[in-house]
Amino acid sequence: DAGVTQSPTHLIKTRGQHVTLRCSPISGHKSVSWYQQVLGQGPQFIFQYYEKEERGRGNFPDRFSARQFPNYSSELNVNALLLGDSALYLCASSAESRLDEKLFFGSGTQLSVL
Amino acid sequence: EDQVTQSPEALRLQEGESSSLNCSYTVSGLRGLFWYRQDPGKGPEFLFTLYSAGEEKEKERLKATLTKKESFLHITAPKPEDSATYLCAVQGSAGNNRKLIWGLGTSLAVNP
Repeated sequence: DAGVTQSPTHLIKTRGQHVTLRCSPISGHKSVSWYQQVLGQGPQFIFQYYEKEERGRGNFPDRFSARQFPNYSSELNVNALLLGDSALYLCASSAESRLDEKLFFGSGTQLSVL
Repeated sequence: EDQVTQSPEALRLQEGESSSLNCSYTVSGLRGLFWYRQDPGKGPEFLFTLYSAGEEKEKERLKATLTKKESFLHITAPKPEDSATYLCAVQGSAGNNRKLIWGLGTSLAVNP
């Protein structure tokens, strides 16, 4: 079975632009979470979706939004990009939404904002 | 406030030289403490989940232990392929989402 897949793998944007990142979870997984990881730091929680409903939101501005589709894939959208949005964006999936359940991560999308 | 602190920040070992990585945490109602391994340019890869003080888990050269305040990841006779960043994360019981709180990680380099 394929693991969590994310696209694109790399992206270069300029300040003020908009970006859409995509994630396909492991087959059968209904929960998708998004994390931002700045170089040298641990991941920071952005959103969690389960069964197409938002289950949680981290401390990120409203420029960040996400959604989950009926096939459980997900998109993360970032508007009005800032230099500080440059980071590795990670998508993680799990079968359910139990708090003690392990997460399976994709390889991420490396976003550079110039 | 939930918090995770990992030490050391970086560790360099010779092949076969055993050592331990530390993860200190404060969290409201621990639901799980997770260890992940991350290679450069990749997403974290799951290693262990620990649920309660006194619990231990092993996988090949790695052994994770948990107390009420900290967790240790013991690496026995490491090999160069164990070189990676090891991340610790905790899941509290507050809220109902996967807001894992992560440490900054320990960057491990194992020299042949």
